[in-house]
Amino acid sequence: AQSVTQLGSHVSVSEGALVLLRCNYSSSVPPYLFWYVQYPNQGLQLLLKYTSAATLVKGINGFEAEFKKSETSFHLTKPSAHMSDAAEYFCAVSEGSNYKLTFGKGTLLTVNP
Amino acid sequence: ETGVTQTPRHLVMGMTNKKSLKCEQHLGHNAMYWYKQSAKKPLELMFVYNFKEQTENNSVPSRFSPECPNSSHLFLHLHTLQPEDSALYLCASSQEDSPITYEQYFGPGTRLTVT
Repeated sequence: AQSVTQLGSHVSVSEGALVLLRCNYSSSVPPYLFWYVQYPNQGLQLLLKYTSAATLVKGINGFEAEFKKSETSFHLTKPSAHMSDAAEYFCAVSEGSNYKLTFGKGTLLTVNP
Repeated sequence: ETGVTQTPRHLVMGMTNKKSLKCEQHLGHNAMYWYKQSAKKPLELMFVYNFKEQTENNSVPSRFSPECPNSSHLFLHLHTLQPEDSALYLCASSQEDSPITYEQYFGPGTRLTVT
């Protein structure tokens, strides 16, 4: 069975600082991994995805994530936070042949001026 | 309209009411999903429809009844709900015969309040 753990339900950074949101997964088969963002009163928007190609994945809005099989991790980073990055971020895993997505509990990112 | 749309965006209903949520996807996908998002809980997958056939029902109470008349439309019929059913209900769609990734595209959600 697949599962996702997001360490830290709330992360606060200063504008211009590095953003690091952590995600660890478990999967019985090579996984597909996703990061979604949810702004207030909106649905989820796909930021980036890992599909067994390059382990460093670049997404929208300057975010990227690195798949590390040995650590079963897929952490999300952005070199310099903007105020507009304040939102909730969800990591999700799919086992490919099983099209279901399993989501983590989410991490709320706050960006301070 | 583009992407995935949901109506209404907000709904307040009493426990004895009957209402329906509507979802429409304009992406040509063949799979649609209902999720429940409650405060401080992970997204809960409720139902999955693949090529209009229900393929997943995650032990959802019978007071929630889905309907998928075609691959573009998905409904969630609600009756005799409980206050704990208050949540954001999200619809999503994906292309299930894609060799790629099964990424899902989400609508903006319906904020449901049961009084």
